[in-house]
Amino acid sequence: GAGVSQTPSNKVTEKGKYVELRCDPISGHTALYWYRQSLGQGPEFLIYFQGTGAADDSGLPNDRFFAVRPEGSVSTLKIQRTERGDSAVYLCASSLGGPKNTGELFFGEGSRLTVL
Amino acid sequence: EDQVTQSPEALRLQEGESSSLNCSYTVSGLRGLFWYRQDPGKGPEFLFTLYSAGEEKEKERLKATLTKKESFLHITAPKPEDSATYLCAVPKAQGAQKLVFGQGTRLTINP
Repeated sequence: GAGVSQTPSNKVTEKGKYVELRCDPISGHTALYWYRQSLGQGPEFLIYFQGTGAADDSGLPNDRFFAVRPEGSVSTLKIQRTERGDSAVYLCASSLGGPKNTGELFFGEGSRLTVL
Repeated sequence: EDQVTQSPEALRLQEGESSSLNCSYTVSGLRGLFWYRQDPGKGPEFLFTLYSAGEEKEKERLKATLTKKESFLHITAPKPEDSATYLCAVPKAQGAQKLVFGQGTRLTINP
């Protein structure tokens, strides 16, 4: 597709449930990022992939959060045993990696997660 | 600690009333400063990258400038369609692929 695609756009779940959020980056972009945005705040870094590997996962808040990108394209953010504090918009972004990287990130529209 | 602070948090202007948004940052070894625009319910959209003090970039009614400690986003004769949240961000000193964002300035332009 033309842009970064994220599904679902909205997810309502109950405390303790497992959630998966999917990101389909722009074709040809090797770098992929997950950010989390709470209401009235700027995005907060979670994890960065270069190709298939997680190059930097230092932003993941705890071991309930995990992300994969098995074929170097689509990525899935997985949240186990969800808590009410996990409620936020989860943003995915992609960019040209390597020497062509200008630092410009292309964001999707986000997945709004609500934990009841 | 790498930090980005934006002011004001919210700004209301009349159409045609020019103003400036501020972004102050503390990071050692700046590797660029980014401005993004975010509309409600959407992801941030890239506007500008500035790399060195004194640099300026322009796009339509927006002009971004950079000093050693802060950046300004000047908006000249704004229109209602310029209403959005404007975010600035800098790469972390440790791990340049991680952007540290400010909390944003919510700009409203009244017709």
